[in-house]
Amino acid sequence: KQEVTQIPAALSVPEGENLVLNCSFTDSAIYNLQWFRQDPGKGLTSLLLIQSSQREQTSGRLNASLDKSSGRSTLYIAASQPGDSATYLCAVEVLKLTFGKGTLLTVNP
Amino acid sequence: GAVVSQHPSWVICKSGTSVKIECRSLDFQATTMFWYRQFPKQSLMLMATSNEGSKATYEQGVEKDKFLINHASLTLSTLTVTSAHPEDSSFYICSARVHRDYEQYFGPGTRLTVT
Repeated sequence: KQEVTQIPAALSVPEGENLVLNCSFTDSAIYNLQWFRQDPGKGLTSLLLIQSSQREQTSGRLNASLDKSSGRSTLYIAASQPGDSATYLCAVEVLKLTFGKGTLLTVNP
Repeated sequence: GAVVSQHPSWVICKSGTSVKIECRSLDFQATTMFWYRQFPKQSLMLMATSNEGSKATYEQGVEKDKFLINHASLTLSTLTVTSAHPEDSSFYICSARVHRDYEQYFGPGTRLTVT
């Protein structure tokens, strides 16, 4: 059974700081990995999708890496802004998407 | 970008009644739609997967007679919670995608409260 763990559970940083969110998964035979953002009481916004054959994806200030062999992914956020405050979810797909519990990010002005 | 809508965004119903939630892909045709449930401060749990024109595939532990899913077209899926009880109160989120090689796009969610 696939298990996805996200560390840390919560993170508070000052504006402008670069930060890294971590995701680990137990079954490395994944089809793809997605990072999402969820604002309170809202649905999910897809940030980045990494196919199993890829090692990283970039979008603006976001960069996600994937190391299938070690079962790890990281989401790097550069020059964080208060608007980045949200819960960030990592999900891996084998036959279905399995989600981690998320990292609650607070960026303080 | 791809947009998925849900209706209603929130609903309050009495115990024993049924509630229908709609999920629509607005600017793309979704061969597959998914229904998730999210408890407070918990992650999303997949309830069922539906392909257009086919019966939904339910995850273990999800009652198919209680959570009726219909995927009548490539842009619409509905989830009906039958004979709702307070323990069915939750945040229900749908997602849709064109193909497995593409990402899932999520709706804004529906907050269901059963009194």
